[in-house]
Amino acid sequence: KQEVTQIPAALSVPEGENLVLNCSFTDSAIYNLQWFRQDPGKGLTSLLLIQSSQREQTSGRLNASLDKSSGRSTLYIAASQPGDSATYLCAVKDNDMRFGAGTRLTVKP
Amino acid sequence: EAGVTQSPTHLIKTRGQQATLRCSPISGHTSVYWYQQALGLGLQFLLWYDEGEERNRGNFPPRFSGRQFPNYSSELNVNALELEDSALYLCASSLVGGTYTEAFFGQGTRLTVV
Repeated sequence: KQEVTQIPAALSVPEGENLVLNCSFTDSAIYNLQWFRQDPGKGLTSLLLIQSSQREQTSGRLNASLDKSSGRSTLYIAASQPGDSATYLCAVKDNDMRFGAGTRLTVKP
Repeated sequence: EAGVTQSPTHLIKTRGQQATLRCSPISGHTSVYWYQQALGLGLQFLLWYDEGEERNRGNFPPRFSGRQFPNYSSELNVNALELEDSALYLCASSLVGGTYTEAFFGQGTRLTVV
């Protein structure tokens, strides 16, 4: 059974800092890994999708990497802004789609 | 293009009643996933439907059930509601097969059991 872990559980940084969120998974036989953002009480917004054959994806200030063999992914956020404050979730897709518990990010002005 | 839509937005039920939640996927998507997110907790996988068939089920009791219709919309039914069923229920859809493609989420249905 796939287990997904995200570290840290919470992170607070001053505006402008670069930061890294981590995601690990136990079964490397995945089809893809997706990063999402969730604002309080809302649905999830897709940020980046990495196929199992890819090493990284970039969108604006976001860069996600995937090392399938070691069961790890990182989400790098450059020049963080207060509007980046949210919970960030990673999900791996094998027979279904399993989520980590998320990292709650606070960016202080 | 319309995104994933869920209805109702909010639902209040009494313990022991039944709740029905609905999800309309993005046009062209045939896979639908359901998740439960209790307050302050992560997303717990409930059900996965693809091409009208139930493909996988999470660790939930049988009173959580659902179906997918020929137009690929889906319904989640929760019978004999318990107070602990109060949560945000999220639905996601992806393209046929649901394996290599991006998933998109609706805004959720907030179920409150009193």
